[in-house]
Amino acid sequence: DQQVKQNSPSLSVQEGRISILNCDYTNSMFDYFLWYKKYPAEGPTFLISISSIKDKNEDGRFTVFLNKSAKHLSLHIVPSQPGDSAVYFCAAGADSWGKLQFGAGTQVVVTP
Amino acid sequence: NAGVTQTPKFRVLKTGQSMTLLCAQDMNHEYMYWYRQDPGMGLRLIHYSVGEGTTAKGEVPDGYNVSRLKKQNFLLGLESAAPSQTSVYFCASRRSHGNTEAFFGQGTRLTVV
Repeated sequence: DQQVKQNSPSLSVQEGRISILNCDYTNSMFDYFLWYKKYPAEGPTFLISISSIKDKNEDGRFTVFLNKSAKHLSLHIVPSQPGDSAVYFCAAGADSWGKLQFGAGTQVVVTP
Repeated sequence: NAGVTQTPKFRVLKTGQSMTLLCAQDMNHEYMYWYRQDPGMGLRLIHYSVGEGTTAKGEVPDGYNVSRLKKQNFLLGLESAAPSQTSVYFCASRRSHGNTEAFFGQGTRLTVV
């Protein structure tokens, strides 16, 4: 039973435009959420996170929005750059042991 | 600064063979994890450890064993490999306080034939 879902397996965006990645979850006990970026043949690297007590967190070109009532979060990348081409994973945690549930990932391709 | 290092990076096993994947972290993290990534399924937690000498089951623990004899190392063992264990395995570590991010190794691609 997948508790974190990324329903868009791929996204293509032009350089300089906004990339919007979506993530839905079913477990209301999740209290923190993270986005990871992954290049081929590398491990995931942390991008940005948000606690359930917030609805927005911003870090440079990356902003994560959380809508708890809809059990939905999104990652905005503005402006998109060619180096942003990667797979993006949404993850959620519900305990102090740091165990995470991951979505299936969204492949982002930024075209010139 | 090495971070999280996994050994080996690639391995091909025959069905029934055994092997151990090694994870080493140099960040003095208390918590360590083993995940597997399969196509279309994201990462799934196999086992985790919240300190030296402790281990616990994750979401998909069957067919695997783990040990954490030293704080910096977390070993994942396959006693009798099966084709269903063909996957990419990622180790991660995290400090114990607060909801902080986990740091991942570069992965081990395992094929069981």
